[in-house]
Amino acid sequence: EVQLLESGGGLVQPGGSLRLSCAASGFTFSSYAMSWVRQAPGKGLEWVSAISGSGGSTYYADSVKGRFTISRDNSKNTLYLQMNSLRAEDTAVYYCAKARGYCSSTSCHWAAAFDIWGQGTMVTVSS
Amino acid sequence: SYVLTQPPSVSVAPGQTARITCGGNNIGSKSVHWYQQKPGQAPVLVVYDDSDRPSGIPERFSGSNSGNTATLTISRVEAGDEADYYCQVWDSSSDWVFGGGTKLTVL
Repeated sequence: EVQLLESGGGLVQPGGSLRLSCAASGFTFSSYAMSWVRQAPGKGLEWVSAISGSGGSTYYADSVKGRFTISRDNSKNTLYLQMNSLRAEDTAVYYCAKARGYCSSTSCHWAAAFDIWGQGTMVTVSS
Repeated sequence: SYVLTQPPSVSVAPGQTARITCGGNNIGSKSVHWYQQKPGQAPVLVVYDDSDRPSGIPERFSGSNSGNTATLTISRVEAGDEADYYCQVWDSSSDWVFGGGTKLTVL
């Protein structure tokens, strides 16, 4: 069964740091781009960051650029999101999501849908 | 930046057809994906690449995309279809973009 399982959420003070993890199973992890998508309480979905299958290409929303870092360890089938300089507006449920399109050795199908989502992990930034 | 516009809410009686729109500049040139999210749950992909359905999604869910509007159509609506629905595209300038979401209420 294809599955994504996030962990690492919690309560952190403004200016603090947190690292989220997303453990993948049931598919060839290194062959697919992955993303983080967040949802603030009572709000809609917001894409946060994406990474290619190899990890060589990364992308960030303007709202987190310079503060968040996406990475992956294909030997451990795990995706990460390092979040620094956290702000109250970063409070949200963070989902990891698998891209439906396959990554070749040189590029990914970036326009592909997110076909598998984790259950989400809550991050609360508050003093 | 690329913007996707959805109506905040749509209401429909059971057994009727619900249509949820997603507006964007020349969205017909992009691949549009639709997600269903029920309270307290993660989003689920219901339509991808404008009109394709993942395995396990009922044929009642269909999509179309042309000009400046993409549409998710849910035929023979059931109480279990009540949820928030989001459209999403990838744009070379704006990266991954979601619409604001539409709350579908089954009367």
